[in-house]
Amino acid sequence: EDQVTQSPEALRLQEGESSSLNCSYTVSGLRGLFWYRQDPGKGPEFLFTLYSAGEEKEKERLKATLTKKESFLHITAPKPEDSATYLCAVQGVASNYQLIWGAGTKLIIKP
Amino acid sequence: NAGVTQTPKFRILKIGQSMTLQCTQDMNHNYMYWYRQDPGMGLKLIYYSVGAGITDKGEVPNGYNVSRSTTEDFPLRLELAAPSQTSVYFCASSSSWATNEKLFFGSGTQLSVL
Repeated sequence: EDQVTQSPEALRLQEGESSSLNCSYTVSGLRGLFWYRQDPGKGPEFLFTLYSAGEEKEKERLKATLTKKESFLHITAPKPEDSATYLCAVQGVASNYQLIWGAGTKLIIKP
Repeated sequence: NAGVTQTPKFRILKIGQSMTLQCTQDMNHNYMYWYRQDPGMGLKLIYYSVGAGITDKGEVPNGYNVSRSTTEDFPLRLELAAPSQTSVYFCASSSSWATNEKLFFGSGTQLSVL
């Protein structure tokens, strides 16, 4: 059964303090791994898709990386506006293209 | 750009009542989805549609029904509401079902069944 586990559940950082969020997954053949950002009271907003181990994607202060078992979302010198819940999802070859979602990591950046 | 629009934003139902959650998109996307999001859990797919007149069940379809008469609209019907259906519901759309296609989400409907 395909599974996604995100850690930590919540992370509080000072502005400028870099860190990483983890997304561990088990899937029978990975088609893609997705990162989304969700602000309070809003729907998720797409950030990245990663397809194979070793791949990296960057957007502003965010960088996503992928191994065969997990993905990391690295946040460099975060600002308060980076505060949000970050969601990870995977799509496996046996899932009929449906996404399996993690519960998310709530990131709080204090000024 | 409206994108995906959901109504209502909030609703309180009594046990046994019925309601329809509305979803419309203006991006001419063929693929539309309904998800529910519960605290501490990942998004769960309820139903999806690959085009007008075609719908299929997702992971958690029991207690829900959908229809897709136009490309733009994908309403979700709750019959005989139960407390277990208390959740935040999100509608989403995409231009394809493929791996590299991102989803566009609405702002959600927070539903409480009491």
